[in-house]
Amino acid sequence: GNSVTQMEGPVTLSEEAFLTINCTYTATGYPSLFWYVQYPGEGLQLLLKATKADDKGSNKGFEATYRKETTSFHLEKGSVQVSDSAVYFCALSPQGGSEKLVFGKGTKLTVNP
Amino acid sequence: DTAVSQTPKYLVTQMGNDKSIKCEQNLGHDTMYWYKQDSKKFLKIMFSYNNKELIINETVPNRFSPKSPDKAHLNLHINSLELGDSAVYFCASSRGAPGMNTEAFFGQGTRLTVV
Repeated sequence: GNSVTQMEGPVTLSEEAFLTINCTYTATGYPSLFWYVQYPGEGLQLLLKATKADDKGSNKGFEATYRKETTSFHLEKGSVQVSDSAVYFCALSPQGGSEKLVFGKGTKLTVNP
Repeated sequence: DTAVSQTPKYLVTQMGNDKSIKCEQNLGHDTMYWYKQDSKKFLKIMFSYNNKELIINETVPNRFSPKSPDKAHLNLHINSLELGDSAVYFCASSRGAPGMNTEAFFGQGTRLTVV
């Protein structure tokens, strides 16, 4: 079946540090891949996405590249800010579209000043 | 001008009660969802409706019954609430299936606490 595995949290960094949150997936064919972010007390917001192999999604300084060969979609940011503190979810939608997203377990990020 | 709105935001109730959570989207989307987020932040889909028709029903107890009076609304009714139902419930919508170039838009969540 389809599944998403992301690194266990929580992750604590100092401001301006480099961030990587690992995400790997299991799916047949070419799923679409997403990163969602949940700020404290809020719902999920789409952060970035990639719909085919080697695509790079980017937004707000975050990037992730769809790697078919390693079935990965790692999230990176060169210099985090306190305002990036949130829970980050990797997700996939199976090839051909599907009526559901499959989420990873989420990684909580705390950025200290 | 909230895109996906759900009410109430907080709900505290006793075991055995019946409660409903309402969701409305003003985006003109065809597909709506209910997700459950447990205390460890794990998100899992419960139901999905497309144009008022049920298309996904994951392994959810029969006590949970979604109702879609029109494609802009998807309400969740829960009978005989149990302690294990305590969670945050998120409503979401998407234009079509959330693959390709569509994305799912989420509501703010309803924190349900069963005591």
